[in-house]
Amino acid sequence: QKEVEQNSGPLSVPEGAIASLNCTYSDRGSQSFFWYRQYSGKSPELIMSIYSNGDKEDGRFTAQLNKASQYVSLLIRDSQPSDSATYLCAVNPAGKLIFGRGTELSVKP
Amino acid sequence: EPEVTQTPSHQVTQMGQEVILRCVPISNHLYFYWYRQILGQKVEFLVSFYNNEISEKSEIFDDQFSVERPDGSNFTLKIRSTKLEDSAMYFCASSGQGQPQHFGDGTRLSIL
Repeated sequence: QKEVEQNSGPLSVPEGAIASLNCTYSDRGSQSFFWYRQYSGKSPELIMSIYSNGDKEDGRFTAQLNKASQYVSLLIRDSQPSDSATYLCAVNPAGKLIFGRGTELSVKP
Repeated sequence: EPEVTQTPSHQVTQMGQEVILRCVPISNHLYFYWYRQILGQKVEFLVSFYNNEISEKSEIFDDQFSVERPDGSNFTLKIRSTKLEDSAMYFCASSGQGQPQHFGDGTRLSIL
C-alpha cells in the first residue's frame, strides 16, 4: 500500500514566524512531489511542485526533497493569518496523486 | 488564468438514484482525473483518463462508477445507483503532459 504520512496538527505559529510542514512517503519509485493548500470546504490549490533533490523556492515558500530519506517538507516564511489552512502533501508515482491527510496550520495574529 | 470548472456545486440525491457530475477541464490539458474527499478524510484517487480511455482506476471505482468525455470539452463522472457512503466532495482535476494537476472547486454530493 503506497502511503503518504503527515502530522495532522494543528500546527500553530505566530504571525511572521516560519512554519515547517513535513511529509514522508513509502513508494521509492515516486518522481513528482507537490504541496497543495486547502481551505475549509474548498478544493486543493497547488502551492509548490518539486521533482529533484534539494530546495526549491517560490516567494515565501520553500519545498525541500530528500529522496534517499523519502521526505518532503514545506517551509513558509513570514507566515500570515491568510496562510491558515490545511496543507496537503501529494506524491505522483505514475499519473495519479496519492495524498496525505494534511497538516492543519494556524497562524495567530 | 484558465481553470477547471465543475457543476453542480452541490447535488442532493435520493439513495439508489443515478447522478452525473460534470467537469470542464482546462482546454489544452490531456489528462483528466476524478478524486473524492469524504468529510474529515483525505483526498482519494478514483480514476484517470487519457486519450478517451481509462488509464487507471482505484478500488473505490467499482461497477457503479463510469466516466465519459462526451464531447471535446466535458468530462463526466456517473454513479449509477448511489449509496449513503457515496456522500463526499468530488473533485475533477486536469493536467498537461508532465505538469501538475489543477483542481476544480468540487461538487458536494449528498445522498439522502
